[in-house]
Amino acid sequence: DIQMTQSPSSLPASVGDRVTITCRASQTIASFLNWYQQKPGKAPKLLIFDASNLQSGVPSRFSGSGSGTDFTLTINSLQPDDFATYYCQQSYHTPYTFGQGTKLQIK
Amino acid sequence: EQLMESGGGLVQPGGSLRLSCAASGFTFSSYWIHWVRQIPGKGLIWVSRINGDGSRTAYADSVKGRFTISRDNAKSTLHLQMDSLRAEDTGLYYCVRDGVLVGRTAFDIWGQGTLVTVSS
Repeated sequence: DIQMTQSPSSLPASVGDRVTITCRASQTIASFLNWYQQKPGKAPKLLIFDASNLQSGVPSRFSGSGSGTDFTLTINSLQPDDFATYYCQQSYHTPYTFGQGTKLQIK
Repeated sequence: EQLMESGGGLVQPGGSLRLSCAASGFTFSSYWIHWVRQIPGKGLIWVSRINGDGSRTAYADSVKGRFTISRDNAKSTLHLQMDSLRAEDTGLYYCVRDGVLVGRTAFDIWGQGTLVTVSS
């Protein structure tokens, strides 16, 4: 199975900050990488697909980059609504594994 | 566009459950659909998938031979038959649509989840 490792596991930040979350795959996955946001008690929400494509309706302050094994999710000018847990997921091969999550917390 | 799961509950180890997922607002037969499990407060685990006409399926190794995914396109419904249940199958089961690009997998629509608890 392809292992997905996110860092950091938790990230204190303030409204207006620019933050970056990284995700590393245990083998190359080209650009088959998705990012999700999850808030407590809610289902995950797709933010970015295919490493850098913004899902419809997602604010443009979210962006993704990377290919191969190393990927990043960047959030510019953090808003109060952005404090949540973020997961990466590889869609290169089944089983479609997820990272362990990064909890973005208010500093 | 909506997915709604049902069928979760408390079951003893070795028991069975059948989860269902009702789709609405989109052409159900056009999409691959997956099941994803989450232990509350923990991470996400992909469980199974099925293609649009039901002819192709895949499973995580941990459930292969015990779980069966199926669909009824006439009723826009997905099922997950779960047999020989184990404590480690416990979690919130989400039905998710694979829907952003042909040839790519990304989960763009999620249900609210149905909770499965395997315990004696």
